[in-house]
Amino acid sequence: KAGVTQTPRYLIKTRGQQVTLSCSPISGHRSVSWYQQTPGQGLQFLFEYFSETQRNKGNFPGRFSGRQFSNSRSEMNVSTLELGDSALYLCASSLAGLAVRTDTQYFGPGTRLTVL
Amino acid sequence: DAKTTQPNSMESNEEEPVHLPCNHSTISGTDYIHWYRQLPSQGPEYVIHGLTSNVNNRMASLAIAEDRKSSTLILHRATLRDAAVYYCILRALNRDDKIIFGKGTRLHILP
Repeated sequence: KAGVTQTPRYLIKTRGQQVTLSCSPISGHRSVSWYQQTPGQGLQFLFEYFSETQRNKGNFPGRFSGRQFSNSRSEMNVSTLELGDSALYLCASSLAGLAVRTDTQYFGPGTRLTVL
Repeated sequence: DAKTTQPNSMESNEEEPVHLPCNHSTISGTDYIHWYRQLPSQGPEYVIHGLTSNVNNRMASLAIAEDRKSSTLILHRATLRDAAVYYCILRALNRDDKIIFGKGTRLHILP
């Protein structure tokens, strides 16, 4: 079974631009969660989508948004990029989602975003 | 949110067992204990989870204290490939269904 894929793997943008990252979950998984990882803050939860609906959201500004399509693929958008948005963005898919405490998250390799 | 405390880093020799501790003194009775690890340049991967009883799988064992305020991830025979950051996470039953990752323990394996 193919794992979680993320595209692109690397991205360089300048301040003020916007960016869209894509995540394809494991076949059959309906939940996709997004995380930001930086050396200073570690892994931080952004949001979760389940069957095209946002279920949960972390403490990030409104510049960070996402959506999920009917095939469970998800996109994350960051508008008006800031230098501090430079990070590794990870997505994870799962069958039942974060509401189920025994559910396992399967992570993709991440997209490394650099903002200049 | 329920929090976990882990040592920043640990070292172990190759082919020896490794015991990675995690304190979660504010754990509630319905919280599951999960462990994930992140190998260099990869996303995190699931290792194991448990509620009250000790658990074993092909990757590791999870030993949970009787009062559930701490747990230990046991790698029975460490290899160089086990060098990673190990995260101990509580999956709580509450309105905010998030996973909160702490800083984790960076495990160094010495050949």
